[in-house]
Amino acid sequence: QKEVEQDPGPLSVPEGAIVSLNCTYSNSAFQYFMWYRQYSRKGPELLMYTYSSGNKEDGRFTAQVDKSSKYISLFIRDSQPSDSATYLCAMGNQGGKLIFGQGTELSVKP
Amino acid sequence: GAVVSQHPSRVICKSGTSVKIECRSLDFQATTMFWYRQFPKQSLMLMATSNEGSKATYEQGVEKDKFLINHASLTLSTLTVTSAHPEDSSFYICSAEDRDINEKLFFGSGTQLSVL
Repeated sequence: QKEVEQDPGPLSVPEGAIVSLNCTYSNSAFQYFMWYRQYSRKGPELLMYTYSSGNKEDGRFTAQVDKSSKYISLFIRDSQPSDSATYLCAMGNQGGKLIFGQGTELSVKP
Repeated sequence: GAVVSQHPSRVICKSGTSVKIECRSLDFQATTMFWYRQFPKQSLMLMATSNEGSKATYEQGVEKDKFLINHASLTLSTLTVTSAHPEDSSFYICSAEDRDINEKLFFGSGTQLSVL
């Protein structure tokens, strides 16, 4: 079993839709959780960073962490074609390595 | 957020040559930098952890003599792919850890290496 599982997609939605991206993990020692966005042939860009259970909102993006279920989510409201990218979840603990999910490829159609 | 600069963005070379990739943290000091390799439609695979002033720590299965890492200053790490072969063709990405921002990782823009 992988430490972090992420549905690779691809996921295709119409413009304006709400997108839900999810990751599950098995290591209860993970303390912080991140979501990165990666455009084709570019480096990942940090979108959201959380370290506690609950929701964190930033504009159209909401990150949700449920440590009891070992489940994290990223919600994108009013999705735009410019949101089309691969979204990677990542998690780690202090002093440890960051573990990445496989990435979910999202396409938002105009 | 913090800026990490990676160069070159793309390199094409002949088999047997060596290629150097640079990773710089532009507005913060990075005691630790990481080098990843990414194949199409796959996640990032950590190759090695680079610590300023000390030897890099390589992940299992990564040849340290093949992938030379130097981290001579707090803002620069380099990865040299020695005697490159076609199977080394991949997308290489560096990242730097900004400890002042709770261990967040910031990534370079990546280098697409094609070995002919």
